[in-house]
Amino acid sequence: DIQMTQSPSSLSASVGDTVTISCRASQNIRRYLNWYQQKPGKAPKVLIYAASRLQSGVPSRFSGSGSGTEFTLIISSLQPEDFGTYYCQQSYSNPRTFGPGTKVDIK
Amino acid sequence: EVELVQSGAEVKKPGESLKISCKGSGYSFSDYWIAWVRQMPGKGPEWMGIIYPGDSDTRYSPSFEGQVTFSADKSINTAYLQWSSLQASDTAIYYCARHVEGVPVDHNWFDPWGQGTLVTVSS
Repeated sequence: DIQMTQSPSSLSASVGDTVTISCRASQNIRRYLNWYQQKPGKAPKVLIYAASRLQSGVPSRFSGSGSGTEFTLIISSLQPEDFGTYYCQQSYSNPRTFGPGTKVDIK
Repeated sequence: EVELVQSGAEVKKPGESLKISCKGSGYSFSDYWIAWVRQMPGKGPEWMGIIYPGDSDTRYSPSFEGQVTFSADKSINTAYLQWSSLQASDTAIYYCARHVEGVPVDHNWFDPWGQGTLVTVSS
């Protein structure tokens, strides 16, 4: 199985800050990497697919980059509604695997 | 609007059986794989596997093979996840999600997700 790790595990930032979340895969997954946002008590929602493609309807302050084993999700100008937990997920091979998550709090 | 609606929360005893459902609407249900995902309390999601409602082809994660069974009834746009003998360790929220394939070719992601079904197994 491909193992996914994320850092940091949690962070607290102010409205307007730029937030960076990292994701690492245990082997080369090219650009087969998706990012999801999950709010408490809700299902995950896709933000970014194929490492850098913004899902329709997702604000442009979210962006993704990376390939191979290193990936980054950036939230520029953090908004109050951006609190939640962010997960990366590889779509390169079965079983699909998710990272452990990064919890984002708003200061 | 594309939507997946799951059945309600369940409380069961160890050893009991259970079948939960996921009903799709707003798209051609037979033409998209449905994924099942477990999320244990305070943990990240875990992919259990997928089923293609068009012909009920299934792919299980090795971690879940033999522990659960996927099925689907395309005539009523519904997928199912079932257990024959629940254990306390099965306590979790279970999500279904549509497996979307798009451009770039071969890339895929889960969208949308159902609202989740909380399964509690306790004596």
